[in-house]
Amino acid sequence: GNSVTQMEGPVTLSEEAFLTINCTYTATGYPSLFWYVQYPGEGLQLLLKATKADDKGSNKGFEATYRKETTSFHLEKGSVQVSDSAVYFCALSEGSWGKLQFGAGTQVVVTP
Amino acid sequence: DTEVTQTPKHLVMGMTNKKSLKCEQHMGHRAMYWYKQKAKKPPELMFVYSYEKLSINESVPSRFSPECPNSSLLNLHLHALQPEDSALYLCASSQEPRGPYEQYFGPGTRLTVT
Repeated sequence: GNSVTQMEGPVTLSEEAFLTINCTYTATGYPSLFWYVQYPGEGLQLLLKATKADDKGSNKGFEATYRKETTSFHLEKGSVQVSDSAVYFCALSEGSWGKLQFGAGTQVVVTP
Repeated sequence: DTEVTQTPKHLVMGMTNKKSLKCEQHMGHRAMYWYKQKAKKPPELMFVYSYEKLSINESVPSRFSPECPNSSLLNLHLHALQPEDSALYLCASSQEPRGPYEQYFGPGTRLTVT
């Protein structure tokens, strides 16, 4: 079956530091890949997506590239802010009734 | 506009109560979803509606009863819940039920069962 593995948190960073959250996946077909962010007390927000190999998704300074050869979709941001403190979920969908397979989530804490 | 709205924001109910959660989207999406999220865990899929018909029930107990009155609305009727059902309930929608379509989530209803 499909699965998503994310690095465990919490990840604690200082403001303006570089952020990387690793995400690898296992899928039988050609999934679409997503990063969602959840701020405290809120629902999930779509951060970015990629639907095929070598696609790069980007939004709000975050980027992730769909790497089929390494089955990875790592999230990066060059300079984090305190407002980026949240839980980040990597997810995949193989289009089967839109079922999203989520990773466990990575909590990111950015300190001033 | 990519907004999914949910009401109420918070709900406290006893184990003998009957209550309903409501979800609405006006993006013309044809797939709608209910998820349950426990603290520090990813969302777990409960139900999928495709073109207003129930397509997937992930073996959810019958004390949870979904309803899709029209293409914009999704309800979740609750009856005789247990304390372990306390969680954040999230609604989501996507353009189509199959294919590379992202899901848009609402803010959730924080449910506490006493």
